[in-house]
Amino acid sequence: GAVVSQHPSWVICKSGTSVKIECRSLDFQATTMFWYRQFPKQSLMLMATSNEGSKATYEQGVEKDKFLINHASLTLSTLTVTSAHPEDSSFYICSASWQQKINTGELFFGEGSRLTVL
Amino acid sequence: KQEVTQIPAALSVPEGENLVLNCSFTDSAIYNLQWFRQDPGKGLTSLLLIQSSQREQTSGRLNASLDKSSGRSTLYIAASQPGDSATYLCAVSTIGNEKLTFGTGTRLTIIP
Repeated sequence: GAVVSQHPSWVICKSGTSVKIECRSLDFQATTMFWYRQFPKQSLMLMATSNEGSKATYEQGVEKDKFLINHASLTLSTLTVTSAHPEDSSFYICSASWQQKINTGELFFGEGSRLTVL
Repeated sequence: KQEVTQIPAALSVPEGENLVLNCSFTDSAIYNLQWFRQDPGKGLTSLLLIQSSQREQTSGRLNASLDKSSGRSTLYIAASQPGDSATYLCAVSTIGNEKLTFGTGTRLTIIP
């Protein structure tokens, strides 16, 4: 149980276009979802936290108008990179928390989505 | 602000050896600590989760310890295998906050 799936796993786009990445919890309802960004040979940096039906909370330095997060249901969160530029090229990973595991604080991670902006 | 550091950044050992990866964190008020494995270009695989009240967790050839007061954790890998080659990340969550702060990772290479 507790499987998180991301789609697409990789995407290449032209500079100036927008890209949407989906994060789904397949067999559980995710109370909270988190979006991370990982640049080559660096660790994961939290971008934002989202709860179903409410606005995402962004970390300092993350542009909320550029990285739009929608958490419309308990099983789906989307990250849209608007007007993408080459510096947005990165590996984006989502994670989800599960109410049944809330006491342990365990988070479940997606497989990641690699974005390359030309 | 919580900061997590992992030493060494990279490690190469011959197959069959036992090894230890280190993780340190600055704020000891943690809720839990997790160790993950990441293969190149892939997502994270959870290895072990230690609650703040625990001292260690074991899974197969892996053993993770936690010394909260000193802000340290170690991941012990016994009888290493080439398939253990990956980047190992530790991450901590602080009390009252589900957010994870990740370490810089240790890139492990097991030499056949």
